[in-house]
Amino acid sequence: KQEVTQIPAALSVPEGENLVLNCSFTDSAIYNLQWFRQDPGKGLTSLLLIQSSQREQTSGRLNASLDKSSGRSTLYIAASQPGDSATYLCAVTGGATNKLIFGTGTLLAVQP
Amino acid sequence: EAQVTQNPRYLITVTGKKLTVTCSQNMNHEYMSWYRQDPGLGLRQIYYSMNVEVTDKGDVPEGYKVSRKEKRNFPLILESPSPNQTSLYFCASSSRLATGELFFGEGSRLTVL
Repeated sequence: KQEVTQIPAALSVPEGENLVLNCSFTDSAIYNLQWFRQDPGKGLTSLLLIQSSQREQTSGRLNASLDKSSGRSTLYIAASQPGDSATYLCAVTGGATNKLIFGTGTLLAVQP
Repeated sequence: EAQVTQNPRYLITVTGKKLTVTCSQNMNHEYMSWYRQDPGLGLRQIYYSMNVEVTDKGDVPEGYKVSRKEKRNFPLILESPSPNQTSLYFCASSSRLATGELFFGEGSRLTVL
């Protein structure tokens, strides 16, 4: 059964710092991996989608990488800003099933 | 504007009173799904639909029903709600599960007394 883990569970950094969020999964037979952002009381917003055949995706200050063989993905945020404060979740879509499995998220606080 | 719309956004009900949470998307997406989000448990998939008239169970389907009679709508039905179904519910859609970005609704906060 696919399991998705995110480390750390919470992170606090000063504004301007570069940071990395981690996501690991146990079954490498995936279609894709997505990173989402969730603000308190709100729905999820898709940040980056990496297909299983891709190694990384970039959008603005965000860069996500995928290493299927090791079951890992990272989300790199450059020059963090207070507006980046939110919970970040990764999710994998299984190849063996059609299920979408979420990690438990990393709560990020960027201090001004 | 491309969006996934859920209703109601907030609902307080009592045990055993049937309710339906509606979900509608305007992007002609094939894939739709329902999740519940609980503190400490994260987001868990309830049901999903690969296309019209095709639905399947997620990880926590007990106590829920769904239907997909038309492409844009995917209602979540609680036939006899119980307090353990108190949760934040999200509907999501995607053009195709394997390749498409997932779009989420704003969420429906349900309290069952």
